[in-house]
This record gives sequence, structure tokens and C-alpha cells, in this order.
Amino acid sequence: GAGVSQSPSNKVTEKGKDVELRCDPISGHTALYWYRQSLGQGLEFLIYFQGNSAPDKSGLPSDRFSAERTGGSVSTLTIQRTQQEDSAVYLCASSLARMNEQFFGPGTRLTVL
Amino acid sequence: RKEVEQDPGPFNVPEGATVAFNCTYSNSASQSFFWYRQDCRKEPKLLMSVYSSGNEDGRFTAQLNRASQYISLLIRDSKLSDSATYLCVVNSDAGNMLTFGGGTRLMVKP
Repeated sequence: GAGVSQSPSNKVTEKGKDVELRCDPISGHTALYWYRQSLGQGLEFLIYFQGNSAPDKSGLPSDRFSAERTGGSVSTLTIQRTQQEDSAVYLCASSLARMNEQFFGPGTRLTVL
Repeated sequence: RKEVEQDPGPFNVPEGATVAFNCTYSNSASQSFFWYRQDCRKEPKLLMSVYSSGNEDGRFTAQLNRASQYISLLIRDSKLSDSATYLCVVNSDAGNMLTFGGGTRLMVKP
């Protein structure tokens, strides 16, 4: 079956611009996660959605970052007024329920010039 | 103390060697444990779940030590293709989600 998909696969933007990253989770998965990974570093948790509950935003690094999940399916991560330090791979994962194994999308590589 | 700690490595081993990684966790009530593998510039992929009684999948063996709060991954007869970063995953301290360790890098040399 279809796995987690993310778009775009690569995004190059100028400092100060806003970007939107999209994640399509596996159908039926109630939990959805966003992570960030800089080159050679570990996964940095950003935000977590579980069903209809309020999202856990504890990992968002600043108020320039926001995310939403519409209809319990597709999610969009928005970064406003991008900075060079936002350059990283943004990974989305979904799981059947919150304590089940997570399945990752291929990521979006963001480069802020 | 970090919620999940791993030795970052790298572990450099020759082909055919046996190598083991440990991962310590802080939430004593953790119930979910996994090992993931991440290749360079790729997304993490599930390698295996870790069960209380320990479990084996081919050359890979995972074990859980609740008393000392760590999980381990043993790789026998290492292959060049085993070169990757291995991530352990356990419950967060708050217990509301899973948390990833920073990963252990393995390099298998010919």
C-alpha cells in the first residue's frame, strides 16, 4: 500500500520568505509527527497530532513555525520568515496509534539562502 | 538526563564481526521499544520491535533490560550493507508519545 508521502522533495527559498511543507500520512493512521534533521544530527521533534486531540507543539523552535492537520489526514508545516538556520530535512511520520511504530516519509530538504 | 541516550559512535568493525549497541532510557514505565535504521540522507526505517522476552530476526537480536532501563541490539556476521545509523525508540518521559535517541553510527569495513 501507499506509504507516507511528502512534498516538495526539495525546496530552496530566500531568507525571509514563508514556506509550506506537506505530508500525506498512511490512510487510517491517527497519529502524525513532524521532525527536523540537520546534516549529521539526530531527529528533532517538532509537533505531534493524535486524532482530534489538541496537538503537542512542545518541540516547535519558535513562533515562526506552525502546523495544522485537516480532516485528520493531510498535514501542512508552515515556516514564516525563514532563516538560514531553518535549513534542514523536515520529516513526517505517521502511526496507527500513538505508541505504534512510526512510518516515515522521504522528507523535504529545505535550503534557505 | 536525556530521555533516550545512545553512544553516537562511530563503531568501526570488520565484515563478519559481531557488534552490540545499547540504549538507555529514563521512563521506567516505558512499554514500547523499537530499533530503527537510517541510511545516509534517507528517512529512518523500522528495523525491529523489542519485546520483553527478547526477539531475533535473522542476524539481529534485540533485548530489553527493564531493571537497568536499557535495550540492546546485537548484529552478528556484520555485512557492509549494515553500515548505517541505528536509532532506538522508547516512550517519552511524559508517556504520551515515542521518543527517538540520537542514534549510533555503524561502519562495517571490508
